[in-house]
Amino acid sequence: EVQLVESGGDLVQPGGSLRLSCATSGFSFSSYEMHWVRQAPVKGLEWVTHITSSGSTIYYADSVKGRFTISRDNAKNSLFLQMNSLRVEDTAVYYCAREVRDSRRFGNFDIWGQGTMVTVSS
Amino acid sequence: QSVLTQPPSASGTPGQRVTISCSGSSSNIGRSAVNWYQHLPRTAPKVLIFSTDQRPSGVPDRFSGSKSGTSASLAISGLQSEDEGNYYCSAWDDSLNAWVFGGGTKLTVL
Repeated sequence: EVQLVESGGDLVQPGGSLRLSCATSGFSFSSYEMHWVRQAPVKGLEWVTHITSSGSTIYYADSVKGRFTISRDNAKNSLFLQMNSLRVEDTAVYYCAREVRDSRRFGNFDIWGQGTMVTVSS
Repeated sequence: QSVLTQPPSASGTPGQRVTISCSGSSSNIGRSAVNWYQHLPRTAPKVLIFSTDQRPSGVPDRFSGSKSGTSASLAISGLQSEDEGNYYCSAWDDSLNAWVFGGGTKLTVL
């Protein structure tokens, strides 16, 4: 069974740091591009960051650029999100998601984890 | 303010047909495929429609997607109570080099 399991969410003070992990199983992790998507309380989904299968190309949303770092360990089938200089507005459930492409190279997020809650508050 | 614009709410009675719109621009919907995600309470988001009009296996044919120019639509026919939840459109934006989502539409089955 294909699974994504996030962990690492916690309560942290503004300006603090947190590292999220996404453990994967049931598929060839090293072949897939991966993403982090978040949902703030009473808000919609917001894409956060994306890493290609080899880790060679990375994109970030403007809202987290310079503060968050995505990485992966293909040997351990794991995805990570290092979050620094956290702000109150970073409070959200963070989901990791797998991307698949169709024959025309259009992508979609076909598998999602259950999410991990990050609360930034003093 | 989301890059893609959806109505905040939609509703219908069981058996009815409901349509949810998603408006974008030439840098996203205008040149890319659109995906729709269903997010039910206390569950992970799930892809409902990918590549604008394709259904993953297991998604009933009551759900369909379409696109015209810089706008896309999700249609749900034969509305059921279990369809109640939030629906999001999404597309890649070439100008932002980012995936963008709509603000979400909360569907209520009356």
